[in-house]
Amino acid sequence: GESVGLHLPTLSVQEGDNSIINCAYSNSASDYFIWYKQESGKGPQFIIDIRSNMDKRQGQRVTVLLNKTVKHLSLQIAATQPGDSAVYFCAQKTSYDKVIFGPGTSLSVIP
Amino acid sequence: AAGVIQSPRHLIKEKRETATLKCYPIPRHDTVYWYQQGPGQDPQFLISFYEKMQSDKGSIPDRFSAQQFSDYHSELNMSSLELGDSALYFCASTLLRPGNTIYFGEGSWLTVV
Repeated sequence: GESVGLHLPTLSVQEGDNSIINCAYSNSASDYFIWYKQESGKGPQFIIDIRSNMDKRQGQRVTVLLNKTVKHLSLQIAATQPGDSAVYFCAQKTSYDKVIFGPGTSLSVIP
Repeated sequence: AAGVIQSPRHLIKEKRETATLKCYPIPRHDTVYWYQQGPGQDPQFLISFYEKMQSDKGSIPDRFSAQQFSDYHSELNMSSLELGDSALYFCASTLLRPGNTIYFGEGSWLTVV
């Protein structure tokens, strides 16, 4: 079956440091891999996605890396800020399909 | 920009009662998804609709049903509520094209007592 899972359930980083959140997936058929940020009591917020034919994509302070050989996805947040504290979910989908979430990683930024 | 609107935001029901959650997708979006998120869990897919027709079904209990109306809003109906149904219910929408982002609403908190 398809699944998405995370290596680390919690992550604490110092403000200003870079954060790296990792994710393993098993469904090679996915076309897109997505990172969502979920703050307490709120809905998942789209951060960045990457298509399966890419290995790197950059956004504002965020970079997603995709390694299809080892089925690994990572989210890098540069200069982590207190506002980045949240639960981060990696997710995957095929072009016309639903999003499948993996277990979240809780990111805690230490001021 | 308009987002996915869900109502009510909070709902308290007793066991065996019925609850209805509503979702208003982003304008011009043709697809709606429903997810359930238990405490400390990742969101689990329940059901989806494309152009008012059910397009996919996940781990939705038989006690639950949903539909999408002509104005594209959707409703999730939950009957014979159980304590385990207490969760955050998300609706999401998209314009079903490859690469298009799925946007989530802020969720409806259902507490069953």
